[in-house]
Amino acid sequence: GEDVEQSLFLSVREGDSSVINCTYTDSSSTYLYWYKQEPGAGLQLLTYIFSNMDMKQDQRLTVLLNKKDKHLSLRIADTQTGDSAIYFCAESPKTDKLIFGTGTRLQVFP
Amino acid sequence: KAGVTQTPRYLIKTRGQQVTLSCSPISGHRSVSWYQQTPGQGLQFLFEYFSETQRNKGNFPGRFSGRQFSNSRSEMNVSTLELGDSALYLCASSTGQAGANEQYFGPGTRLTVT
Repeated sequence: GEDVEQSLFLSVREGDSSVINCTYTDSSSTYLYWYKQEPGAGLQLLTYIFSNMDMKQDQRLTVLLNKKDKHLSLRIADTQTGDSAIYFCAESPKTDKLIFGTGTRLQVFP
Repeated sequence: KAGVTQTPRYLIKTRGQQVTLSCSPISGHRSVSWYQQTPGQGLQFLFEYFSETQRNKGNFPGRFSGRQFSNSRSEMNVSTLELGDSALYLCASSTGQAGANEQYFGPGTRLTVT
């Protein structure tokens, strides 16, 4: 079935690293995505990873993929208050159909 | 390049009415997908249109329908509105081609059904 799970909340101090975790179920998903949603806004694509990769780094963002365990994580280095938002992981079992996780609310405190 | 636009941004309807939401994709994008976001169910896929044809469909009742025009703009319609249809409706556009196929989202239409 299609089910993507994330922890609901994460609270970190400004300047620390944040790690947001996600587990997915559909091993046929070729790409896995991370989106960010700020209050009152739509979704912003942050990054994605191809399923045959283990890691992808993009500036302060690092995505790790463990395909065997169907586990995906997003690490944000040097977390800032502007990073406070809800983060969604998503799998794509079919072209242009995204299955989203429940979302993780990241709160950054000074 | 302009982003994805959605109109209207806010809408209040009463039970039993119908509503039409509009989405204009990024220029050159041929795929438009629609999602419903609620506090209880999260983000759920409604359907996707590519070159005026529905290519994918989620698990929503037939009251939810959509269409896409030759200029790739898309509309979704919800008939016989129910209180549970209150949600943020998001559309996303992409090239629709195989590959990473990055989807870009609009700001959403917030629908309130009273």
